[in-house]
Amino acid sequence: EPEVTQTPSHQVTQMGQEVILRCVPISNHLYFYWYRQILGQKVEFLVSFYNNEISEKSEIFDDQFSVERPDGSNFTLKIRSTKLEDSAMYFCASHGYSNQPQHFGDGTRLSIL
Amino acid sequence: QKEVEQNSGPLSVPEGAIASLNCTYSDRGSQSFFWYRQYSGKSPELIMFIYSNGDKEDGRFTAQLNKASQYVSLLIRDSQPSDSATYLCAVNMGRGDKIIFGKGTRLHILP
Repeated sequence: EPEVTQTPSHQVTQMGQEVILRCVPISNHLYFYWYRQILGQKVEFLVSFYNNEISEKSEIFDDQFSVERPDGSNFTLKIRSTKLEDSAMYFCASHGYSNQPQHFGDGTRLSIL
Repeated sequence: QKEVEQNSGPLSVPEGAIASLNCTYSDRGSQSFFWYRQYSGKSPELIMFIYSNGDKEDGRFTAQLNKASQYVSLLIRDSQPSDSATYLCAVNMGRGDKIIFGKGTRLHILP
């Protein structure tokens, strides 16, 4: 069964450094998302991406965050200057058509020191 | 503030019994409803989705939706120890396809 693939599985970064989290959505999917989950808390929506542009973003997704689909397969989340509070699990999700269920990758655990 | 509410639990159910998980949501315009299972340290795994009022069954799982009451539930029949996990209710809210998650209900199946 096709899967959403995320790399790396764990990223450790010094505060203030830039980090890029990578995702390969399921190949025929059109809608892409990033979510985060701080330890012990709920899964939170960050951003949705469709037709090569952001379709919606949350209050969390401020100027330090950006997303990109640099080629036909990868979908990346960049955090420009990381803060301690960015430490969380980051999940990428995708689906094919509107209203279809979202399928999640295994996540990247981001630890900011 | 658009929200999804779940009892955090833990909900303890004997093996072989029916586990009943509940969820309410605030946005009357919501059209899509999802149940995900999340094991500790893992990603959400889709269990069920439902779009219309009524029941939807898939194996041991039944999702129930009542849009008038803004209520969605998940029944797990013949509960197994492997069903022990956190169950996340997720609802499509607002424009677009983003989903808002509840905090999840921890389910513990007692052997």
